[in-house]
Amino acid sequence: AAGVIQSPRHLIKEKRETATLKCYPIPRHDTVYWYQQGPGQDPQFLISFYEKMQSDKGSIPDRFSAQQFSDYHSELNMSSLELGDSALYFCANSLDGGYYEQYFGPGTRLTVT
Amino acid sequence: GQNIDQPTEMTATEGAIVQINCTYQTSGFNGLFWYQQHAGEAPTFLSYNVLDGLEEKGRFSSFLSRSKGYSYLLLKELQMKDSASYLCAVRDGGFQKLVFGTGTRLLVSP
Repeated sequence: AAGVIQSPRHLIKEKRETATLKCYPIPRHDTVYWYQQGPGQDPQFLISFYEKMQSDKGSIPDRFSAQQFSDYHSELNMSSLELGDSALYFCANSLDGGYYEQYFGPGTRLTVT
Repeated sequence: GQNIDQPTEMTATEGAIVQINCTYQTSGFNGLFWYQQHAGEAPTFLSYNVLDGLEEKGRFSSFLSRSKGYSYLLLKELQMKDSASYLCAVRDGGFQKLVFGTGTRLLVSP
């Protein structure tokens, strides 16, 4: 079965640089969520989109932005990177605005040096 | 606000049964999920409860009591590969995002 695809899987950036993380959803899954998971921590919700519109916003810094495109893929843009941004970033997909369970992608491991 | 509590760590023996508890206090509730996560990997969906009672799915069962703000995940016939973190997550009633508990690290020994 098709799963959530995230790219890149690993990314190394320096402080103050920018990064773009991409998420390609399971076919027909119209809702996307972004989560950040620091070392030894639980996933923290950042932002979500339903039908290309932002549906909810969590603890996402102003330096980050995201969008969902017409083909339902999503991108998380991160600017002025800080050491504390080093984490695993997961994209999750669901159907119908999140009524159904969320399926997580493999994650992008971002390391800021 | 949201508060979801789980034990930090549990140990069990291969072939045994283990119960992982989760208590929650959330501003909105629209279902409780259990995910399994191996280190450095994505959370994998295990079960979902929105009504009170027990949901059984192979070796895994999950129970929910909404009035008590309580759930548990029951793992039977433990295998070594079950060593992982188990995350309890509540779906926020308003916008469907998941709010995760701190996770329980389960170690299965021979």
